[in-house]
Amino acid sequence: NAGVTQTPKFRILKIGQSMTLQCAQDMNHNYMYWYRQDPGMGLKLIYYSVGAGITDKGEVPNGYNVSRSTTEDFPLRLELAAPSQTSVYFCASSPSEGGHTGELFFGEGSRLTVL
Amino acid sequence: QQQVKQSPQSLIVQKGGISIINCAYENTAFDYFPWYQQFPGKGPALLIAIRPDVSEKKEGRFTISFNKSAKQFSLHIMDSQPGDSATYFCAARGPQGGSEKLVFGKGTKLT
Repeated sequence: NAGVTQTPKFRILKIGQSMTLQCAQDMNHNYMYWYRQDPGMGLKLIYYSVGAGITDKGEVPNGYNVSRSTTEDFPLRLELAAPSQTSVYFCASSPSEGGHTGELFFGEGSRLTVL
Repeated sequence: QQQVKQSPQSLIVQKGGISIINCAYENTAFDYFPWYQQFPGKGPALLIAIRPDVSEKKEGRFTISFNKSAKQFSLHIMDSQPGDSATYFCAARGPQGGSEKLVFGKGTKLT
């Protein structure tokens, strides 16, 4: 069972560069999320999606963009990387409202450093 | 802003001891309170969860106690083991329903 797969696991960017963090899930979950985790700060929601073609902002969306063209994939785009975006990024998914338990299934994270 | 306040930030417990982590919230519309466990280099994983109509839930050595009137809930780990060393996050689901509004505490590192 692959679950939620994130790539890359590690990446170093220079200030001003752009990149895309990939996230794929094979559980046919409608809901998908991107969180960032900073030391001592918990997890902050960046963007989420309730289904293909539908996305919405979370608590800390500035500097990021997302798209959801398929149920399986939910890439996170960083434009003009800044040192403040140095963090560990987690993608997660959960079943749809009709049968969900409220549980999020997380990937193993992507550690991004912006220098 | 919806918040969940978690304490302590870190906790050291002897093998066989009891670990207690506390969380407090303000929004009475929260309808689901999960705890997530995260090992180094891994993503968080659901440990145990409770709904506000229940005062206590136990799964093995892990127990959630929920005090609706005080707007507090806590995680108790009985007979703590070295394998319990991890970071624990409490969370609360927002009033809109659905996991998309899950708000996390800042975490407790248990050693």
